[in-house]
Amino acid sequence: DGGITQSPKYLFRKEGQNVTLSCEQNLNHDAMYWYRQDPGQGLRLIYYSQIVNDFQKGDIAEGYSVSREKKESFPLTVTSAQKNPTAFYLCASLTVYGYTFGSGTRLTVV
Amino acid sequence: AQTVTQSQPEMSVQEAETVTLSCTYDTSENNYYLFWYKQPPSRQMILVIRQEAYKQQNATENRFSVNFQKAAKSFSLKISDSQLGDTAMYFCAFINNNDMRFGAGTRLTVKP
Repeated sequence: DGGITQSPKYLFRKEGQNVTLSCEQNLNHDAMYWYRQDPGQGLRLIYYSQIVNDFQKGDIAEGYSVSREKKESFPLTVTSAQKNPTAFYLCASLTVYGYTFGSGTRLTVV
Repeated sequence: AQTVTQSQPEMSVQEAETVTLSCTYDTSENNYYLFWYKQPPSRQMILVIRQEAYKQQNATENRFSVNFQKAAKSFSLKISDSQLGDTAMYFCAFINNNDMRFGAGTRLTVKP
């Protein structure tokens, strides 16, 4: 079945560490997105990529980085510069028919 | 800037009854798409219904239907015969040229 696979489902980060969240899709979609969701709130856009080797900052890109070396993969790195990284992270691909979302990664700072 | 507003942070409905969730948006574009997504406690985002702005006919998917008022920039979701499994966060969303915006969400609780 086609879809978006995010891993891991749960991730724990120590203060000062960089961590990378994986996002893989087999839908052959060009556009991919990363969103952050805090408890009881909506989705905020971190980064998006419309084509391989190109990506743009979203509304809350500070403290995050991404790469898009191949169409299927769009990993998100949460750097030590992100002061409040504890949140739920959703990856998605997009066509005019809407988003297909992954199942998310819950990141917690310990 | 394109914005999406959901004015009802929380709503509740009795099982088998009908509920309407509100959504308004602001855009200067003429061609765009509107969506309602459901996020149950599992946190998986599930597409509920989709509406193309150029279509006057309101979209319907089984118990879910929309009231799309383009001039008023309004896109409400009606859930008929509410079921316990409809309990979730509901997000209204807008897409134009790969720019997708979400509302803050409405938490819907279906009571037995």
